[in-house]
Amino acid sequence: DAKTTQPPSMDCAEGRAANLPCNHSTISGNEYVYWYRQIHSQGPQYIIHGLKNNETNEMASLIITEDRKSSTLILPHATLRDTAVYYCIVGAISGGSNYKLTFGKGTLLTVNP
Amino acid sequence: DTGVSQNPRHKITKRGQNVTFRCDPISEHNRLYWYRQTLGQGPEFLTYFQNEAQLEKSRLLSDRFSAERPKGSFSTLEIQRTEQGDSAMYLCASSFRDRGREYFGPGTRLTVT
Repeated sequence: DAKTTQPPSMDCAEGRAANLPCNHSTISGNEYVYWYRQIHSQGPQYIIHGLKNNETNEMASLIITEDRKSSTLILPHATLRDTAVYYCIVGAISGGSNYKLTFGKGTLLTVNP
Repeated sequence: DTGVSQNPRHKITKRGQNVTFRCDPISEHNRLYWYRQTLGQGPEFLTYFQNEAQLEKSRLLSDRFSAERPKGSFSTLEIQRTEQGDSAMYLCASSFRDRGREYFGPGTRLTVT
C-alpha cells in the first residue's frame, strides 16, 4: 500500500506557483520524501527529495513540515509543460533492505493558459 | 546525454505468444529496475538487479515473466504465453549511488490482442 495521500487533481494558472500537497503521516525517521512527475506517454522523471530540511533545486522546492507528516512541492512559475502527474513517495535510502519506489496514483496537475 | 533506452517502444502481440523487451541503462549505473504501469495507475515494481544479480522480485512477477541482466549491463524482460491482462506499459529505470533517484526510460507499450 502507498504510504502517501495526494489529491487526485489540481489546476494552476500559467506563470503562477503550483503547490502540490502530500500527506505521509506514517513516515519513519529514516524515510525520505521523493517527488517524481510523469508527463503523458513518458517515463517518470525525478524532481527532488528530502529528509527533514527544505530543499530547492532548479526544478522545484520541497517544504517538509517539522513533524514530517506532510510536505508540499512548489513549482514557482508553472508553465504548460509542467502539466503532468506528480507522485509523492516515501522510502528509505540506507539500510540493508533493497530500496524500491512505491508509486501511488499521484496528482494530475493541469496548468492552464 | 544518453539516458535509459528501451526497445521496442510499442509491441502488439496475440494472446499466447512470447515477447521480449530490452532495456539499456545509463552506462555507469549498477542498479536496474523493471516496473509495469496500467492506465490510470502509478508504476508498479516488478524486479530489481544490482549488477547481474536479481535481488528482488515482486509477487506481480508470475512464473510467465523472467528477467535477466547477463553481464550487468542491458536487461531483458520476457513474458511467455501472453494474456490480455499483460497489456501495459513496461518501464525500465536505472540508478547508481542514489537509491531512490532513478532514471526512467520511455517505456515499452505492450498490447495483447
